[in-house]
Amino acid sequence: DQQVKQNSPSLSVQEGRISILNCDYTNSMFDYFLWYKKYPAEGPTFLISISSIKDKNEDGRFTVFLNKSAKHLSLHIVPSQPGDSAVYFCAAFPQGGSEKLVFGKGTKLTVNP
Amino acid sequence: NAGVTQTPKFRVLKTGQSMTLLCAQDMNHEYMYWYRQDPGMGLRLIHYSVGEGTTAKGEVPDGYNVSRLKKQNFLLGLESAAPSQTSVYFCASSTPPGTGGVGGYFGAGTRLSVL
Repeated sequence: DQQVKQNSPSLSVQEGRISILNCDYTNSMFDYFLWYKKYPAEGPTFLISISSIKDKNEDGRFTVFLNKSAKHLSLHIVPSQPGDSAVYFCAAFPQGGSEKLVFGKGTKLTVNP
Repeated sequence: NAGVTQTPKFRVLKTGQSMTLLCAQDMNHEYMYWYRQDPGMGLRLIHYSVGEGTTAKGEVPDGYNVSRLKKQNFLLGLESAAPSQTSVYFCASSTPPGTGGVGGYFGAGTRLSVL
């Protein structure tokens, strides 16, 4: 029973264009949603988060959108750069069990020069 | 550099052997976690700790034990390794969610192969 789903295993975009990474969840009790970036042979790096009481959070080139009615969140990267090529994980903290961060399976983003 | 350090980086074991993975953090974080990452599976929580002397089971705890005798260290033990435990193991630490450290920090990983 996968609570956080990233249905696209890979995404390829051109440098300078927008990258949109999607994530769906099934548990309406999630409190916080997070995005991590992971390069090969390295640990995941926290990128950006959003509280369940908000619908948008922006940090430089990265914006996360949360649609609670659709149980969907997305990460927008504008403009995309070759250095953004990595695996992106969506994750969520459930309410009352905030230690148990639940991860999606990841989406591999390739930004072509 | 401040952060999370995992030891060792690579290890090959034979079925039935035991080993301990060490995680050390120098950020005075209360929370520490052990995850495993398998192809196509994302990261799955093995065990976690919300403070020195405390541990709790995550999503996939079977075959593993942990100890948090010191705040800065979190040990993951495999008493009798099995091929199904071949994976990449990540340790992470964070402050409690809501205190500003919701994202946490991960170590670089330990790649374990069990033959």
